[in-house]
Amino acid sequence: LAKTTQPISMDSYEGQEVNITCSHNNIATNDYITWYQQFPSQGPRFIIQGYKTKVTNEVASLFIPADRKSSTLSLPRVSLSDTAVYYCLVGDRWDEGATNKLIFGTGTLLAVQP
Amino acid sequence: NAGVMQNPRHLVRRRGQEARLRCSPMKGHSHVYWYRQLPEEGLKFMVYLQKENIIDESGMPKERFSAEFPKEGPSILRIQQVVRGDSAAYFCASSEDGETQYFGPGTRLLVL
Repeated sequence: LAKTTQPISMDSYEGQEVNITCSHNNIATNDYITWYQQFPSQGPRFIIQGYKTKVTNEVASLFIPADRKSSTLSLPRVSLSDTAVYYCLVGDRWDEGATNKLIFGTGTLLAVQP
Repeated sequence: NAGVMQNPRHLVRRRGQEARLRCSPMKGHSHVYWYRQLPEEGLKFMVYLQKENIIDESGMPKERFSAEFPKEGPSILRIQQVVRGDSAAYFCASSEDGETQYFGPGTRLLVL
């Protein structure tokens, strides 16, 4: 399972676009990149998942360069309620022998101010 | 479709007592994962189960901890003879095919 590195914290203001970058230099061919959001006293919430290039859903976009050694979660026009910890995880979805256990780092604490 | 449900949400036990944490996966999900989160830390994998089978328990302490996912009913994480160091938030996640995992709200265990 590839190790990930992301900033410990980030600050932003309401209405801004926020980009959180995650490094995963040892990502394997079969690994997918997944981002979760966690509010205090709640379980992590799945945000987005991707393998390469760009993925977009109603919540966020995920940008993955060709070498896949990093990825960037983009949150458009953040609000106060987006203040949370964001986790970047890398793992293999397709190996039948894999348990797909998620390896969480310390995540990035995003603080959105008015 | 209801999400992953966990109960109780909060559990207080004295040292030496037993703690039972329950997890009902999302409808149609047969894969269950348990994670533990200590204060100010990320989640740590404990065990992965499919119906009636433990697939991976590499993250679970060898003693006092056990997990099951019976054919009928919720998955149970059981901690015997709890100690203060067991105080943490315990999260359950479920998935349909072992891919994307959806988490429950967690059970916060406090050992006095």
